Parts: sequence; structure tokens; C-alpha cells
Amino acid sequence: AQSVTQPDIHITVSEGASLELRCNYSYGATPYLFWYVQSPGQGLQLLLKYFSGDTLVQGIKGFEAEFKRSQSSFNLRKPSVHWSDAAEYFCAVGEDDYKLSFGAGTTVTVRA
Amino acid sequence: GAVVSQHPSRVICKSGTSVKIECRSLDFQATTMFWYRQFPKQSLMLMATSNEGSKATYEQGVEKDKFLINHASLTLSTLTVTSAHPEDSSFYICSARRGGRETQYFGPGTRLLVL
Repeated sequence: AQSVTQPDIHITVSEGASLELRCNYSYGATPYLFWYVQSPGQGLQLLLKYFSGDTLVQGIKGFEAEFKRSQSSFNLRKPSVHWSDAAEYFCAVGEDDYKLSFGAGTTVTVRA
Repeated sequence: GAVVSQHPSRVICKSGTSVKIECRSLDFQATTMFWYRQFPKQSLMLMATSNEGSKATYEQGVEKDKFLINHASLTLSTLTVTSAHPEDSSFYICSARRGGRETQYFGPGTRLLVL
């Protein structure tokens, strides 16, 4: 069975500072990996996804993520955080038929 | 492109009544739609997978008679919570994909409160 672990429940970062959100997965085959962002009371917006190829994936809003098979990780990064990046971030892994399993999420707070 | 809408955005109902939530893909045809449930401060839990024209596939532990799913067209899926009880109060989110190995696009969610 597949599973996703996001070790950090809550991260606080200063505006302009860098951000890294951790994601570890357990999956028997080559995973399909995703990062989504959710603003309060809203649905999920896809930031980026990895299927194959280049292990460094660029997404929207200046985010990127790196797939490291040896570490079973897919960490999300942003060099300089904006106040509008405050939200809940979910890492997800997909099965072959694209059923997604989500991590518990990481809440990002941005302080001025 | 790839916009998914949900209606209503929030609903309050009395215990014992049924509530229908609609999920629409506005600018694409969705062969598959998914229904998720999210409790406060928690992650999304997949409830069921719905393919157009066929019966939904429910995840383990989800009562199919309680949560009726219909995917009658390529742009519309509905989730009906039958005989709702307070424990059914939650945030329900749908997603849709064109088919094959396509990305899921999520709706904005529906907040259900059962009194």
C-alpha cells in the first residue's frame, strides 16, 4: 500500500526567506508525485507534479520540487516566500490509475 | 482551462434529510471524477471513484448506500448524502480528470453542516 508522510505539521517562515517542505513516500513501483496548495476554505491547486524524466520539477508560483528515489522523498522548495504563500500544502502519491493518497499536510505561516 | 466547480459551496441541513452536491467540469470532459472528504485540519480521504456511465467504486469503509454517487454525463457528477447526521458534517471535495494518465483538477469544495 502506498503512503505519504509530511513530517512537519507547521512551519513558520519570514517573508523573503526560503522555504522547504518535506515529503516522504512509500510506494512499490515508480510513483507519480504531486504537490498541492490549499487556501482556507478552498479546494486544492496543483503546484507541480512528477511522472518521469528530470528529477527537478518546476511548478507554478516559483515552487520547485526534487524527486530523490534513494531517499523516497519529494521535497518542495521556494527560494523567497511571499505573504500570499501562507496556506496548507499537501504532498500526494498516485497509483497507476491516478488514485491519490495524500499526506497530512503542512501549514505554512509567513511572518512579516 | 481545466476548471471544476462545485455547488453548493456550503449547506446546512437538519439531521435525517438528504443533501445533493454537484461537481462539474466546466471546460473539459471528465471521464473520471473523484470524491474526497476532509475533516478540519486533516488531509483528504478518498471516498469513491466515479467513471462516466458506470457505478462508482467506493473505498473501504465508505458506505455506498449512505453516499450515493452518480456520474451521468462527462461533465457532471453528484454526491448525495442520504439521511445525513451530524457526523457527516465535513468538507467534501471533488476532482475530475479527462482520462488516462491525466492530472486531477479539484473543485473548490462544499462545506456540509448537519444540525
